[in-house]
Amino acid sequence: DGGITQSPKYLFRKEGQNVTLSCEQNLNHDAMYWYRQDPGQGLRLIYYSQIVNDFQKGDIAEGYSVSREKKESFPLTVTSAQKNPTAFYLCASRQGAGGELFFGEGSRLTVL
Amino acid sequence: GIQVEQSPPDLILQEGANSTLRCNFSDSVNNLQWFHQNPWGQLINLFYIPSGTKQNGRLSATTVATERYSLLYISSSQTTDSGVYFCAVKQGAQKLVFGQGTRLTINP
Repeated sequence: DGGITQSPKYLFRKEGQNVTLSCEQNLNHDAMYWYRQDPGQGLRLIYYSQIVNDFQKGDIAEGYSVSREKKESFPLTVTSAQKNPTAFYLCASRQGAGGELFFGEGSRLTVL
Repeated sequence: GIQVEQSPPDLILQEGANSTLRCNFSDSVNNLQWFHQNPWGQLINLFYIPSGTKQNGRLSATTVATERYSLLYISSSQTTDSGVYFCAVKQGAQKLVFGQGTRLTINP
């Protein structure tokens, strides 16, 4: 089945450690996105990529990094510079500028 | 940037009731989506509706782009409709802005 796969679903890390969240899509979508959601809140855009080897900062990019070496993959690294990394992270993709956005199941990161 | 306001923030209903959720946005948009976030956190696409009216079973949505609002209707609510409903709009290239959501609780 076509879709967006995020892993891991749950992740616990100690403060000061970098963490990489995986996002893979087999929808042949050009654009991919990372959002952060805090409890009781809406979604905020971290980074997005419109094509391979290109990405742009969203509204809350500080403390995060991404890469887009392959069309189907858009991993997110939560670095030790991110002050409040505990959150629910959602990856999404879309075909083209005006297309419908689809989400993965999310990754819940807890930093102890 | 564009502002997106959803109302009401919380809604509690009995099973079988009908509900209307509203999404207001502050500027013209060329894309609007409604999502349902289930208790496990997954976002389910409900409607892609930059304008006009669409229906899917017990759910329907209407967007009046010229007046900068969209409405989501849920008829004959079921407990499985519980969750958070998000409206998201697109302005400019490749950037979707989300509202804060409406938390819907359907009691049996």
